[in-house]
Amino acid sequence: DAGITQSPRHKVTETGTPVTLRCHQTENHRYMYWYRQDPGHGLRLIHYSYGVKDTDKGEVSDGYSVSRSKTEDFLLTLESATSSQTSVYFCAITGSTGDYGYTFGSGTRLTVV
Amino acid sequence: GQQLNQSPQSMFIQEGEDVSMNCTSSSIFNTWLWYKQDPGEGPVLLIALYKAGELTSNGRLTAQFGITRKDSFLNISASIPSDVGIYFCAGRPNTGANSKLTFGKGITLSVRP
Repeated sequence: DAGITQSPRHKVTETGTPVTLRCHQTENHRYMYWYRQDPGHGLRLIHYSYGVKDTDKGEVSDGYSVSRSKTEDFLLTLESATSSQTSVYFCAITGSTGDYGYTFGSGTRLTVV
Repeated sequence: GQQLNQSPQSMFIQEGEDVSMNCTSSSIFNTWLWYKQDPGEGPVLLIALYKAGELTSNGRLTAQFGITRKDSFLNISASIPSDVGIYFCAGRPNTGANSKLTFGKGITLSVRP
């Protein structure tokens, strides 16, 4: 397999609660990304990381924070979940050469009620 | 920012037919990629293209890197039911993994038996 796993696969949470999604890779890749996928919008970049403790914002970063304390783990946190954050979240990784595009995880379906 | 245009949003074809999709941009890309997403899963890389004019095949799939570097095409021949899914194009304007991919919004393909 590709060596990237996301957890949990499904989650239902209440508005206003904090939520953390985890992306774990065993490829030792430098770059990691968090996307959300919504009908009509395709994949939109939330945050990305280019190394341990090095992160930056994507196009839809409001309401989200990330942390990367180890190469293998990239965490996405919704500080106070809102219904507009109901979505499918994908993590992706790529190595230093980047020649082969991104490898995606299987996604986390998050529902905020 | 840069955008990749894919249309129409949905395509419906009969099993056994060929189908072509294209992806266009207003700016130049140096790498073009095509992904397929099955229901409930993350996108999976189908074909990667690195040179203008390049034509690459992967089984029944053929993709081309447009000579203007502003477009790419994907052709699926003799479609089968398992071709159902969302097809994304993606492009990278510069070489190097620190240049992030831009994704199209995807085309949902349905195949009628």
